[in-house]
Parts: sequence; structure tokens; C-alpha cells
Amino acid sequence: GNSVTQMEGPVTLSEEAFLTINCTYTATGYPSLFWYVQYPGEGLQLLLKATKADDKGSNKGFEATYRKETTSFHLEKGSVQVSDSAVYFCALLFSGGYNKLIFGAGTRLAVHP
Amino acid sequence: EAGVAQSPRYKIIEKRQSVAFWCNPISGHATLYWYQQILGQGPKLLIQFQNNGVVDDSQLPKDRFSAERLKGVDSTLKIQPAKLEDSAVYLCASSSLVDSGTEAFFGQGTRLTVV
Repeated sequence: GNSVTQMEGPVTLSEEAFLTINCTYTATGYPSLFWYVQYPGEGLQLLLKATKADDKGSNKGFEATYRKETTSFHLEKGSVQVSDSAVYFCALLFSGGYNKLIFGAGTRLAVHP
Repeated sequence: EAGVAQSPRYKIIEKRQSVAFWCNPISGHATLYWYQQILGQGPKLLIQFQNNGVVDDSQLPKDRFSAERLKGVDSTLKIQPAKLEDSAVYLCASSSLVDSGTEAFFGQGTRLTVV
């Protein structure tokens, strides 16, 4: 079946460190891939997306590349800030007559000054 | 553009009581999702509507959970009777049907505590 697997957290980094959060997926067909972010006390919001193989999504300094050969969509940022502390969710949207959106378990990121 | 509205924001009930959550999606969005997010876990899809029809309710505990979307707009999710393990945040999301890359927009959620 279709599923998303994320690296377990929490991830704890110092400000300006490099961030990678791993995400791999299992899917039939050609899904779209998303990263959503949940800041403390707020709802889920879209961070970036990619809709086909080799697409790179980017936003707020974050990037992720849709790798079909490795079924991965790893999230990266070159220099994290304290304000990036949040929970990050990798998600997959696949069409089987309707668009079904499923999420990974989430990875909590804590950035310290 | 107004976002997805959910109410109430918080609800505390005793086990075996009933509870209902309301969601008003973004105007014109055909797809509406209800998710359950247990603390420390990712959102789990409970039910998905396309307009006013159910397209996926495979993970909805139908012995106690029910949902409807009248006239293809607002939706309500009900739990009757509630169990302790239903304590979670219930998220509503909506999206248009433009293409397969269309994002879903989420409400703030309703935090349910069953005691």
C-alpha cells in the first residue's frame, strides 16, 4: 500500500547548523510529495511540494528533491534558525480516482541559540 | 481568502458521552478531509468527502464515529460514545480539485480530551 516513513525525532541542532530530515515513501503510480510544518500552537501549513520526479520544492530556505529512484523526499536547510523549531511532516498525495493525502509520523526539530 | 474554520477549539468530555465537531472549508473546495492526530503521531485520515459524497472512510471506526457533509459545504464529525483513546486533535482540511499537486489547507483543529 501507500505509506510515508520519516526519521524519528527529536532532532536537536544549534542555530546555523545544517538540517536534513529523511523521508521515504511507498506508492503506486506517480504521487505528489509535500512537506508540511506545524509550529507550536498553530495548525498544519504547507512548506513546499514537488509533483513529479526530479522536481525540487523550496521555500523559506528549505529544499527537497523528488527522487523516484530512491523513493525519497528529504528535507534540507543550510542554516537553521531558532524560529524553525517545529514539527515537520512529510506527506504523499496519490490519485486513485480521488486525491488521498497521507502523512508520515512527523519529526520534531528543536533549534537552540 | 478565508481559511478552514473549525469549532470548538477545545472540548473535554467524559467517556461514553457524545461530541460533535464542525468544519467550514474554504469556499469552492470540493474535497474535505477529517484527520485524527494523536499526540506525537502524524495525522491519520478518518474520512474524505468529494463534494457531499464519501470517497474514503476505510479508517473510520464506524461503530462510534460518523460524519456528514450536507450540500457539499460544511461538515460535522461525531463520536458516540467516546472512549479514552479518542483523545486527540481532530483536523479538518480542504482542497480544490485542480490537479494532483493541489495542496490541502488545514484548520486549527479541535483538541478533544476524554476523561
